[in-house]
Formats: sequence, structure tokens, C-alpha cells
Amino acid sequence: AQSVSQHNHHVILSEAASLELGCNYSYGGTVNLFWYVQYPGQHLQLLLKYFSGDPLVKGIKGFEAEFIKSKFSFNLRKPSVQWSDTAEYFCAVHPGGKLIFGQGTELSVKP
Amino acid sequence: EAGVAQSPRYKIIEKRQSVAFWCNPISGHATLYWYQQILGQGPKLLIQFQNNGVVDDSQLPKDRFSAERLKGVDSTLKIQPAKLEDSAVYLCASSLGPSAKDTQYFGPGTRLTVL
Repeated sequence: AQSVSQHNHHVILSEAASLELGCNYSYGGTVNLFWYVQYPGQHLQLLLKYFSGDPLVKGIKGFEAEFIKSKFSFNLRKPSVQWSDTAEYFCAVHPGGKLIFGQGTELSVKP
Repeated sequence: EAGVAQSPRYKIIEKRQSVAFWCNPISGHATLYWYQQILGQGPKLLIQFQNNGVVDDSQLPKDRFSAERLKGVDSTLKIQPAKLEDSAVYLCASSLGPSAKDTQYFGPGTRLTVL
């Protein structure tokens, strides 16, 4: 069965630190990949997406993610986090038919 | 533009009781989804509608859960009877179509506590 694994359950960083959240998926075919974010008290919303082409994709608020097909990975990065990036981040794969989410990573940024 | 609306936002019930959740998708969105998000986990798709037809309900516990989207707009999700393990946030989402390229927009969710 297809699945998505996020490496860290809770990450705590200080402002200006660099961020990398890991995401691995199990699916051998063509995949569509997403990162969603849920800020405290807000709806789940799309951060960025990858369908094809350049494996480095840029999203909102300075986030980017890199698709590495050989590693079945789609890690999320940001060079310098801000307190306002405190949120829960979900990686998801859409192998055809439906979105399958990872378990989420809670990011806490200390001012 | 208005987002996906859900009600109620919170619900507390006793086990074996029934409960219903309502969702109003973004206007013009043909595809509607219901997800269950248990604490500490990512959302899991329960059912997907395309207009008023069911596309995927493979993970819907059909002995106790039911959902409908009669006129292809609003939708209701019902649990009868509820079990303790149904405690979760129930998210509704909508998109223009069922393609992966059609962004899913999520509502605020209904937090259900079953005692």
C-alpha cells in the first residue's frame, strides 16, 4: 500500500536557523507530491506542489522542496525560519485517485 | 472568495449516540472530500464525491458511517452509532475537479469527542 513517512514528529528551532523536514513515500510509479501547512487556529493549506519538471520547487513564504526520485524523497527546506513559521507540516502524495498524508511534523520556532 | 464551511466546530457525544457534520464547499467545486484526522496522525480520506456521485469510499466504515451529497453542493457525514475510536477532527475539502493538479481547499474541521 502507498504510504508517506515523515521523519520527525516535533522539531524545535530558533529564529534564523535553517529548516529541513524529511518526507519519504512508498510508490513506484509517477507521483504528485505536496506539502501542506496548518498554522495554529487556521485551516490546512497548500504550501507547495510538484508534478513534473524541475525537481526543486518553490512555494509560499520562502519554502522550497526537492524531489529526489532515487530516494523516494520530497524534503522541505527553508534557509532561515521565523517565529511565524510555527505550524504543523504535512507531506502528501497523490499517486492517482486520492491524497495520502504523512503523520505530520510539528515545528516550533523560538523567538 | 468564501472558503469551505463546516459545522459544528466542536461536538461532544456519548458512545453509541449518533452525530452529523455538515460541509458547504467552495462555489463551483465539483469534488468534495471528507477526511478523518486522529490526533498525532495525518488526514485520512473517508469518502470522495464528484458532483453527487461517490468516487471513493474504500476507507469509510460503512457499518456506522454514511455520507451524502444529494444536490452536488452541500454534504453531510453521519456516524451512527459512535465509538470511542471515532474521536477525531473531521475535515471537509473541495476542489474544482478530482485531478491531482486541482488544489484541495480545506475547511476548519469539526472536532468530535466521544465519551
